[in-house]
Amino acid sequence: GIQVEQSPPDLILQEGANSTLRCNFSDSVNNLQWFHQNPWGQLINLFYIPSGTKQNGRLSATTVATERYSLLYISSSQTTDSGVYFCAVHSAGGTSYGKLTFGQGTILTVHP
Amino acid sequence: DSGVTQTPKHLITATGQRVTLRCSPRSGDLSVYWYQQSLDQGLQFLIQYYNGEERAKGNILERFSAQQFPDLHSELNLSSLELGDSALYFCASSVSGEGFTQHFGDGTRLSIL
Repeated sequence: GIQVEQSPPDLILQEGANSTLRCNFSDSVNNLQWFHQNPWGQLINLFYIPSGTKQNGRLSATTVATERYSLLYISSSQTTDSGVYFCAVHSAGGTSYGKLTFGQGTILTVHP
Repeated sequence: DSGVTQTPKHLITATGQRVTLRCSPRSGDLSVYWYQQSLDQGLQFLIQYYNGEERAKGNILERFSAQQFPDLHSELNLSSLELGDSALYFCASSVSGEGFTQHFGDGTRLSIL
């Protein structure tokens, strides 16, 4: 099946700093989503981005489908950005109809 | 608010017992997915239904079963529970199958004592 690797595994920032999280995947995809899991366990959908670039406030994401990677940018980080960020993909050539495969996540800690 | 409702939010039970987790998808969504998040396995896909029919299966144990009803809500049944079944169980829904955004509920946290 498709493999998803996220880096870095852990990231510690001071409030106001910028960061870039990376997601590499091993096959063509027709769905790629970025999620933020907050300390209460909720999975918040940040972006649906199988290709191209999107922006939402301080967050933006870029997926280069031909090179099989996606980047999540967080600018001017705030303590509320802390949590785990997951990349999840659906393989375009897969047989598991609609199934998302998740990476292991990046644990982000933002200190005041 | 994703529009996906999961009940209950928390469930505490004992080994050997059986529980049912319930999910109401977003209005208009036909696909329902179940995922399990555990400390050692991460987030893993269990099973998917589309308009009442099973469409895809992941590493779902034989002790686990699910169904989607005519009103499109879904239930995940877990039986003969073991300590290792303690996890956060998520339901997600999408308009259709592959290629559409999946919206996740807040999860049911299952603790086996």
